[in-house]
Amino acid sequence: TQLLEQSPQFLSIQEGENLTVYCNSSSVFSSLQWYRQEPGEGPVLLVTVVTGGEVKKLKRLTFQFGDARKDSSLHITAAQPGDTGLYLCAGRRSGGSNYKLTFGKGTLLTVNP
Amino acid sequence: GAGVSQSPSNKVTEKGKDVELRCDPISGHTALYWYRQSLGQGLEFLIYFQGNSAPDKSGLPSDRFSAERTGGSVSTLTIQRTQQEDSAVYLCASSLQGVGAAEQYFGPGTRLTVT
Repeated sequence: TQLLEQSPQFLSIQEGENLTVYCNSSSVFSSLQWYRQEPGEGPVLLVTVVTGGEVKKLKRLTFQFGDARKDSSLHITAAQPGDTGLYLCAGRRSGGSNYKLTFGKGTLLTVNP
Repeated sequence: GAGVSQSPSNKVTEKGKDVELRCDPISGHTALYWYRQSLGQGLEFLIYFQGNSAPDKSGLPSDRFSAERTGGSVSTLTIQRTQQEDSAVYLCASSLQGVGAAEQYFGPGTRLTVT
């Protein structure tokens, strides 16, 4: 059972376009993280959201955590070729196993010049 | 560098052979994690170390998989009698501590191909 569903799985857009990636679950998470992974490298943390309804901005990237802490979105404005990569969301549960991250399958983004 | 390092970066092995994958965490990080990333799949948790102890081995897919950590530092993931379905990228991560929201820093991974 995939606890975190990401959509779309693949996204190919032109430079300058806007896009939104979604991460959905039926489970509640104490926090949710977004990572970007490039070929041959490990995932790199972009942001952590912990409060329901929280919005965080990182330059052209806007992250939102759902009010019920079950879903999240990543919006990129005016995408650039350097944004190309695999975007992964990962949720952390509260309680004794809060060290464990549950990952979605990722959204592979290609931004064409 | 000061990041997480893994070796080898690539490993091709024949079905039935044993392999060892190594992870050097960031100095001072007490928590260490192994994940597996298969084609089209997200990262799958394998095992968590706090110091040299592994309080959570729940993600190891079978008894052919084992891991150890020595000196609170280097960790080795061993896969015995490899099968083709073991082909994947094995990622290691470390964090300052295991509990709470401590950020996990990932290594570049070892790509394992079983022929």
